[in-house]
Amino acid sequence: ETGVTQSPTHLIKTRGQQVTLRCSSQSGHNTVSWYQQALGQGPQFIFQYYREEENGRGNFPPRFSGLQFPNYSSELNVNALELDDSALYLCASSLPGTGVSSYTFGSGTRLTVV
Amino acid sequence: AQSVTQLDSQVPVFEEAPVELRCNYSSSVSVYLFWYVQYPNQGLQLLLKYLSGSTLVKGINGFEAEFNKSQTSFHLRKPSVHISDTAEYFCAVRNFYNTDKLIFGTGTRLQVFP
Repeated sequence: ETGVTQSPTHLIKTRGQQVTLRCSSQSGHNTVSWYQQALGQGPQFIFQYYREEENGRGNFPPRFSGLQFPNYSSELNVNALELDDSALYLCASSLPGTGVSSYTFGSGTRLTVV
Repeated sequence: AQSVTQLDSQVPVFEEAPVELRCNYSSSVSVYLFWYVQYPNQGLQLLLKYLSGSTLVKGINGFEAEFNKSQTSFHLRKPSVHISDTAEYFCAVRNFYNTDKLIFGTGTRLQVFP
């Protein structure tokens, strides 16, 4: 059984650019949630995807967007990058009907915006 | 609104000593509570969770936590720590008002000294 995998592990972008982060969910998990963890902070919920549609969103601007694919993998896209977007981005997949009770987190993508 | 407070940003302790990491939450409804550990440059690993039932929850690596509804606390304890327990620890509460997501505290850095 494979866990949650995220790619890339590290990324450096310039302010104003766009970035795409990827997440492959654990086998059997159909829901993917994305979190942003700024340095020295706890993770903050960005949004969740279920059946290829956004299923809830945190307090993040529209330049943060996502996709979920038929195989349940997911992408997080961020447009017009700002310096404050520098963070560790974590995705978590979960089993149908269990929500956070069955969260499995990936190792994250470290994004640095310069 | 739900929130989580981790009262100690850092906890230094010597190897083989006991440790308690404190967590308080605010919620007007029943809660699910979680403790996660994060090692340097890694994602989040679930230590233990309280969903219902016994208020004393045992987790991995010898950790346990006690749910105290009257004090709205969920403190994490270990009777004897190892150097390898050095990491960041996050307490989290489930928010199910509109989206099944986790609300995290700001974390406690456990530093174990030889």
